Formats: sequence, C-alpha cells, structure tokens
Amino acid sequence: GQQLNQSPQSMFIQEGEDVSMNCTSSSIFNTWLWYKQDPGEGPVLLIALYKAGELTSNGRLTAQFGITRKDSFLNISASIPSDVGIYFCAGQLIGNEKLTFGTGTRLTIIP
Amino acid sequence: EAGVAQSPRYKIIEKRQSVAFWCNPISGHATLYWYQQILGQGPKLLIQFQNNGVVDDSQLPKDRFSAERLKGVDSTLKIQPAKLEDSAVYLCASSRDRRTEAFFGQGTRLTVV
Repeated sequence: GQQLNQSPQSMFIQEGEDVSMNCTSSSIFNTWLWYKQDPGEGPVLLIALYKAGELTSNGRLTAQFGITRKDSFLNISASIPSDVGIYFCAGQLIGNEKLTFGTGTRLTIIP
Repeated sequence: EAGVAQSPRYKIIEKRQSVAFWCNPISGHATLYWYQQILGQGPKLLIQFQNNGVVDDSQLPKDRFSAERLKGVDSTLKIQPAKLEDSAVYLCASSRDRRTEAFFGQGTRLTVV
C-alpha cells in the first residue's frame, strides 16, 4: 500500500531548539493530519488541516497544508523533553476517505 | 469521553495458531478502522467499517485475516493461522464519520514465534 514520505527520518536536537519536519506525496489530499506516537501507545492526533494553504497552531505546534495539496509541514517551537516520540503525517485522498500514513519522523532530545 | 478500548494489550502465540483482538470504539463513532503497524513503519490500513458494513478491505490478507462488526459497535479482528510476519501492533481507531479525524486505541502487540 502507498505510504507518504516523511523527512527527516530522525532528528537529534537539544532542548529548546525548534523542529521542522515535512511530508510529501505523489497524490493530492483533501485532509492532512499530524499524529504523535509514544512507545507502546497508539498515535495521538495533534493537528488536523482541511484546506490548501491552511496554517493551524496547537500550542507550540504549527502545521501547514501545502498549496499543491501534495505536502504538509509540522513545526515545533522551543522543544521540551515530552516532545520525544515519533511523528506521523496522514492524508485522506479525494474521493476515498482511507487514511494513508507517512513513514514517521523520530524525534530525540539530547541532554 | 472514553477513548478507544482494545484488548489484549499483548499476545504471544506460536506460528499456525489463531488469535483474536477486540476493539470498542468511542461511543457514537460510526467509522471503525483496523491498522497493522510493523516495527519502524507507519500504520497500514487493514479494514474500514462504516457502522456494520465494510468500506475498504483491499489490504486485508483475506486468506488468514477476518474482521467483523456485527452490531455496528464493537469489532473483532482474527488471524488464523498466524505467520511470523504477522508480528506487529494492531491498532483500532474510530471516527464520527468517514470524513472526520480518527482517534486510536493503545493497540495490541502481537508476537508470533
């Protein structure tokens, strides 16, 4: 099955740094979602985007729905230890509500 | 609001044995999904229900996997017989309808030995 390409695959940062990750697809999506998954847990929804160009914030997190509808970006400002985990993007195809997940970005904070 | 409930949390079986997973979605959510997440990968959709009907099972290995949602609420996913490559986390998710965001349970970690 199709999976979205996320980059980077992993990130090692220091506490307080800002983080940027993105997700790209060969297909157009009408909805983009960003999830965070902690070890041993299911993914937790962070932000949902419904319109091309939309910019949405949730606390220190900001996500954007790309103008081409084929990409999305997630930024985390002033990272803290609890931001550690795996971030997944997910998209819904136009005309097919199936959710397709990205390959994930693993965020690690270096002490 | 209670979240998506799944059981068991962990299961270890031998290859060729059978196993079943249970999911109770968020109350009022019409759409239910089963995903398979292999270590190091994103979740992959196995089957999607809308109430008690199947919307998409194109990626379900139907020779060994089956799922049902008889009354449009709880759902079970069964594997019979299991193979080593079925080792993964099986995630259940639900959404209010097909166009709204999905919420996930904690998953069942299956190890086939």
